Amino acid sequence: GAVVSQHPSWVICKSGTSVKIECRSLDFQATTMFWYRQFPKQSLMLMATSNEGSKATYEQGVEKDKFLINHASLTLSTLTVTSAHPEDSSFYICSANEGLGAFGYTFGSGTRLTVV
Amino acid sequence: SQQGEEDPQALSIQEGENATMNCSYKTSINNLQWYRQNSGRGLVHLILIRSNEREKHSGRLRVTLDTSKKSSSLLITASRAADTASYFCATDGGTSYGKLTFGQGTILTVHP
Repeated sequence: GAVVSQHPSWVICKSGTSVKIECRSLDFQATTMFWYRQFPKQSLMLMATSNEGSKATYEQGVEKDKFLINHASLTLSTLTVTSAHPEDSSFYICSANEGLGAFGYTFGSGTRLTVV
Repeated sequence: SQQGEEDPQALSIQEGENATMNCSYKTSINNLQWYRQNSGRGLVHLILIRSNEREKHSGRLRVTLDTSKKSSSLLITASRAADTASYFCATDGGTSYGKLTFGQGTILTVHP
């Protein structure tokens, strides 16, 4: 089946630094990928839709200058958390759209970000 | 914004018992999906039910969908300790497949 690889699985960074998270579709091309955020014991909130070759679409309330998304190829989307602060500490998870609406969607294994 | 609400928020049962989780949503949907998440891990897709379907089975899972009530239920039969996890419903209501709106989730604990 389809596999989405997300890296790193966890990262600790200092306040003010930037962190890049990668999301790769391993055996299919994904023109669209989605980035979600999950706080402890809460549900997933969609942050943005990553579109290959064009700008990402951000959900209301998500700062596009803080969460930079790049979808430079059909198999890779990256999320960069810029000038990270402790409140950015969260679980970030991506999913890739195979374009097959009849089937479930494939999620990466997530990245646990801790900003100290 | 989150449109799904799930109940119960937490469910604790013994191995062998059935577990039922409910999900409600607010807007029209293309399909509704159920996912499982083990602590600190990614999501695993369990089952998808389309808006024109009323019931679907997959192994020990049974999902129902009532679009008139905007609700769905997930039944896990003959539960096992390995079923312990958080379960989320997610609705796909847009023209862009994959943009999901998740419910708040149910934490299921199955005691051996």
